Amino acid sequence: GAVVSQHPSWVICKSGTSVKIECRSLDFQATTMFWYRQFPKQSLMLMATSNEGSKATYEQGVEKDKFLINHASLTLSTLTVTSAHPEDSSFYICSARRRGLAGGVYNEQFFGPGTRLTVL
Amino acid sequence: GQQLNQSPQSMFIQEGEDVSMNCTSSSIFNTWLWYKQEPGEGPVLLIALYKAGELTSNGRLTAQFGITRKDSFLNISASIPSDVGIYFCAGRNASRGSQGNLIFGKGTKLSVKP
Repeated sequence: GAVVSQHPSWVICKSGTSVKIECRSLDFQATTMFWYRQFPKQSLMLMATSNEGSKATYEQGVEKDKFLINHASLTLSTLTVTSAHPEDSSFYICSARRRGLAGGVYNEQFFGPGTRLTVL
Repeated sequence: GQQLNQSPQSMFIQEGEDVSMNCTSSSIFNTWLWYKQEPGEGPVLLIALYKAGELTSNGRLTAQFGITRKDSFLNISASIPSDVGIYFCAGRNASRGSQGNLIFGKGTKLSVKP
């Protein structure tokens, strides 16, 4: 299998607070985890890529001090939205690529169910 | 960032009809993927393609990796109501080497009338 979970599935918070979102690969070890952001009726926008034990690589325009990513183990990555504001409200989705050299579908990106963040 | 050109943007079809959607790129890709996303959920991988000209099926779904390596199509035969969702193509650019980040199309929203 290739199951990826996210927690929480939705969160509502006040402006100025920080929110942590967890992404776990449940039945495999992930070489790399990715964090995406999706606005309504739009495609997925890659925010950052993280490898276990190293610093995340952020896409252009994504503030690394705003969106803190910690890839603590081969099965867990966290995204913390610091000092959240209403414009940070969005659907955040993580994905994970399996560790290994088999190639093909075995090493493709599998997505979590997403986290709906609403900042009041 | 770079995006793929995916069309059509939306489709409204009758149950039982066949569906076709495609993606094109100005860049060569070495991998084409097709995902389906339902409301409030993450994308689910449907089909993965790794070789130019490759034709792969997954049930009623068939996808092909274009010969030029710059396009791919997805066909759904005999559509049913549960096919409703947004279908995304995604490509991995060979020039980016081992970085392997996916580039996504804007999606095709499929609606099926029973």
